[in-house]
Order: sequence, then C-alpha cells, then structure tokens
Amino acid sequence: NAGVTQTPKFQVLKTGQSMTLQCAQDMNHEYMSWYRQDPGMGLRLIHYSVGAGITDQGEVPNGYNVSRSTTEDFPLRLLSAAPSQTSVYFCASSSARGEGVEQYFGPGTRLTVT
Amino acid sequence: QKEVEQDPGPLSVPEGAIVSLNCTYSNSAFQYFMWYRQYSRKGPELLMYTYSSGNKEDGRFTAQVDKSSKYISLFIRDSQPSDSATYLCAIYTGGFKTIFGAGTRLFVKA
Repeated sequence: NAGVTQTPKFQVLKTGQSMTLQCAQDMNHEYMSWYRQDPGMGLRLIHYSVGAGITDQGEVPNGYNVSRSTTEDFPLRLLSAAPSQTSVYFCASSSARGEGVEQYFGPGTRLTVT
Repeated sequence: QKEVEQDPGPLSVPEGAIVSLNCTYSNSAFQYFMWYRQYSRKGPELLMYTYSSGNKEDGRFTAQVDKSSKYISLFIRDSQPSDSATYLCAIYTGGFKTIFGAGTRLFVKA
C-alpha cells in the first residue's frame, strides 16, 4: 500500500498561472480532503469530498477548484495563482467506517507563487 | 476566539524528560480529540485519538481530555530525540470536518 500520494513535491508558479495538484489514495477511503498549512495557522481545510462525484467547500476555498471522478483521485486546481497561495498543501483520506476521524495524510506539495 | 488554541513553542527538553503538550478548545459539544505528529517536511501522522473525556495510553504516549475545562493534553514519557517533531492537536467537529491547532514544536536534546 502506497497510502496517500501527492505530486509534485515542489512547484514554483508565477502570479496568474494555473496548475493542478494531484492526490491519489489506494486504501479505498470514501473521504478525501485538501488542506493548506501556513506558519502559525495550523492546517486549514480547503475542499473535501465524501465520495465520487460529491465535493464541498471548507474554510478557505477561494481560488481553488476540486472534482472527484473516482474514489482514488482528488485533484486540486489553482485557477489563477496568487502570492497568498504560497503554502504547503496536504491531501488526506479517511474511511467512512470511522466517521472520517482518522485521517491519513500525503507527504505534501510545497508551492511558491512569485 | 479560535476554536482550538495551541502554544506554538518551541519546547526544548533533555532526553528522558516527561513532556506535556496542551490545547484548549471552545465548543463543549466536541467529542473526538486527536493528536498528530509531524516531522519536518513530512505530512502529519495520527498518533492517537480519544472519545469524550478520560485518558488513553499507547506506549510512552498518554492523551488526556478534560471536557469540564475544555483542555486536552498529550504526555510523552521518557522522551527521545526521535520524538522531536511538531505535535498538532485536532478536534473532529462532525460533518467530515476536523479543526487543527497551530502545532507545538518539540525538541528533545540528547
């Protein structure tokens, strides 16, 4: 089991560029989430999904889009990158059997927007 | 007021010390309380979680919840240099959502 994988590990974008952060899990988990982590702010929820075809907004959704066409994949799209989106992004998955309490995190993507 | 507050530290202790990490929270309805460990440049990993009040022990780690004072703690006995990491408290708020503290950086010196 690879668990939760994320690509790329690092990315530098210019303001206004778009890109997609990839996330995949092989644990057959129903729930998947995207967080951003900034110094002193903890992890903040961007978007989440409770199953294929179902997504919803978290605490800080502006500037990001998600879709979930399969159980395994949950990509995060930055529509027009801004310096405020410089952060470390983590994808997480959890099982519906545990009510989503136990989350498994990927290794993260470090994004810098110049 | 933030829903969960955590002192960012850093906290520096000698090897073998007992470490106490703490968080406070605002909503008395919360029931699931978690502790994650995050090594530098890695993703968080779940250490343990408790439901409602009380203690839970796993090896050198003990999680404690005091719902009356809305206070959660993680104790590490016989701390090791390999315990050096950032520790995040987290609370499951329902509706598939979890809120996280800012994390406390711990350094255990050999």
